[in-house]
Amino acid sequence: EVQLVESGGGLVKPGGSLRLSCAASGFSFTNAWMNWVRQAPGRGLEWVGRIKSKADGGTTDYAAPVKGRFTISRDDSKDTLYLQMNSLKTEDTAVYYCVRYLYYNGMDVWGQGTTVTVSS
Amino acid sequence: QSVLTQPPSASGTPGQRVTISCSGSSSNIAMNTVNWFQQLPGTAPKLLIYNNNQRPSGVPDRFSGSKSGTSASLAISGLQSEDECDYYCATWDDSLNGWVFGGGTKLTVL
Repeated sequence: EVQLVESGGGLVKPGGSLRLSCAASGFSFTNAWMNWVRQAPGRGLEWVGRIKSKADGGTTDYAAPVKGRFTISRDDSKDTLYLQMNSLKTEDTAVYYCVRYLYYNGMDVWGQGTTVTVSS
Repeated sequence: QSVLTQPPSASGTPGQRVTISCSGSSSNIAMNTVNWFQQLPGTAPKLLIYNNNQRPSGVPDRFSGSKSGTSASLAISGLQSEDECDYYCATWDDSLNGWVFGGGTKLTVL
């Protein structure tokens, strides 16, 4: 079964850091481009960033609100995606989803999400 | 303010056909394929349409997508009560160098 399972969410103070993980199974993680998408309480979906497969350069792209504060990385030996979040702000409070992207299939697999709350 | 514009709400009665629009620009919808997602309350989004009009396996053919120029639309025919939830469009934006989403449309089945 193709599956993505996020972990690492929690409560953190403004200015703090948190690292989210996303464990992939059931497919070739090495070949997939991976994304993080978030959803603030009662709001719509917002793309956070992506990382390409190493075969396609392994490069990253970020949304403007998180650029310079968030870093996406991957460990293909562990089939795991990461999101390092620094200098967190209250507006980063959201459910964070790990999402697979395949060129011919779009954003086709979503994790169940992990909740990040930034509050003093 | 979302880059892609969707109506905040839509409604229909059981059996009816409903259409949800998604308006973009020359840097996003016009240049790239559109995905549509369905999000039931309290759950993760689910891919409904990819490549403008393709359905993943398991998605009923009551759901269809189309694209023309800088706009896309999702049509749901034979509306059912379980279709009541939120729907989002998304695509890549060449100017922003990132994915952009519509603000979402809440569908109510009357």
